Amino acid sequence: EADIYQTPRYLVIGTGKKITLECSQTMGHDKMYWYQQDPGMELHLIHYSYGVNSTEKGDLSSESTVSRIRTEHFPLTLESARPSHTSQYLCASSGRAMNTEAFFGQGTRLTVV
Amino acid sequence: AQKVTQAQTEISVVEKEDVTLDCVYETRDTTYYLFWYKQPPSGELVFLIRRNSFDEQNEISGRYSWNFQKSTSSFNFTITASQVVDSAVYFCALGSGYSTLTFGKGTMLLVSP
Repeated sequence: EADIYQTPRYLVIGTGKKITLECSQTMGHDKMYWYQQDPGMELHLIHYSYGVNSTEKGDLSSESTVSRIRTEHFPLTLESARPSHTSQYLCASSGRAMNTEAFFGQGTRLTVV
Repeated sequence: AQKVTQAQTEISVVEKEDVTLDCVYETRDTTYYLFWYKQPPSGELVFLIRRNSFDEQNEISGRYSWNFQKSTSSFNFTITASQVVDSAVYFCALGSGYSTLTFGKGTMLLVSP
């Protein structure tokens, strides 16, 4: 069983609020990722990190930001939430080698009203 | 550029039927890895299998089997004697070099009793 945790699981928040989605893993993985998944199922990579102090933007442009101060922690922040940010957010991590699979958290279902 | 195509958006079968989920990939790399993930209604993506580019052996795990053919750039997934618990979204993914995983758009499998 993968040891990667996301909190909260569900969040309903008003427009304009600042929110942080938490993601932590206990596997010592160097690589971490954030994906956005809309009801159409497709996964969109929005941020990733290859290690501490490394962050990169993914394929899908996002107004969110991330930080990687500790290996195990990769929070995602929205400074001012909008209804267009309503989505499922999935965090994942993987080892350094190319052939290692990614392990996913259970996701955060965000609704901005 | 890498690409993964899952042409089947949704498949519906009746319990005990066999079902094959298709995955076609594109990459210029000679060394790469292919993955299948299952996403049940709970939301978490669960790793199912990894296959590297120089191992074309097919694999069977219980009711699951995978057929990897480099000649057609395909990595298809077959569930034998499907069960209601197999209902989920299934993702095929491709990884190579130090790039992030490239996911297909997913296939939703509905197994009815």
